[in-house]
Amino acid sequence: GDSVTQMEGPVTLSEEAFLTINCTYTATGYPSLFWYVQYPGEGLQLLLKATKADDKGSNKGFEATYRKETTSFHLEKGSVQVSDSAVYFCALSDEVQGAQKLVFGQGTRLTINP
Amino acid sequence: EAGVTQFPSHSVIEKGQTVTLRCDPISGHDNLYWYRRVMGKEIKFLLHFVKESKQDESGMPNNRFLAERTGGTYSTLKVQPAELEDSGVYFCASSQVGGLSYEQYFGPGTRLTVT
Repeated sequence: GDSVTQMEGPVTLSEEAFLTINCTYTATGYPSLFWYVQYPGEGLQLLLKATKADDKGSNKGFEATYRKETTSFHLEKGSVQVSDSAVYFCALSDEVQGAQKLVFGQGTRLTINP
Repeated sequence: EAGVTQFPSHSVIEKGQTVTLRCDPISGHDNLYWYRRVMGKEIKFLLHFVKESKQDESGMPNNRFLAERTGGTYSTLKVQPAELEDSGVYFCASSQVGGLSYEQYFGPGTRLTVT
């Protein structure tokens, strides 16, 4: 079945550092790819999405590009802030297969120190 | 507009006991999903309701788990009897009819601890 593998955490960085969280996927169809974020005490929020190959999703300074050739969707940000501290989940959904459920990776806890 | 709410936020029970989790979706959302994250691992799909009907329950781990959505509004997820491996965070999400997968809105989760 479909699966998502993301970078093991936790990740600790200093403010203004460059961030990369790796994500790769396995899917039988043509999935849409997502990054979700969970801030402390809150629910999961959609951070960004890409629905087809070579699409770039972006939001709040974060970016990720749908790379079909490497089955990857790595999350990047050029300069992180303390407020970016959260747990980040890579996910996919295969709408072509008619499935509405999301398949998530194991999550990466990110801590940004001032 | 209120978001997805879940109750309780945290539950601690002993092995063998029963626990019922509740989810109130966003008003007007006919799709309701349950997911679970066990021991810091990946979030896994449990089931999907459309109104009061179970559309997909392929992720339910075993018959100790019972989900209901009477009247197509709020949903409950009962675990009976609870086992140690049921500990984790249970998330609920909702979306409108015809909504795409990424248009699911998530609640804050219920943290279940079985001792």
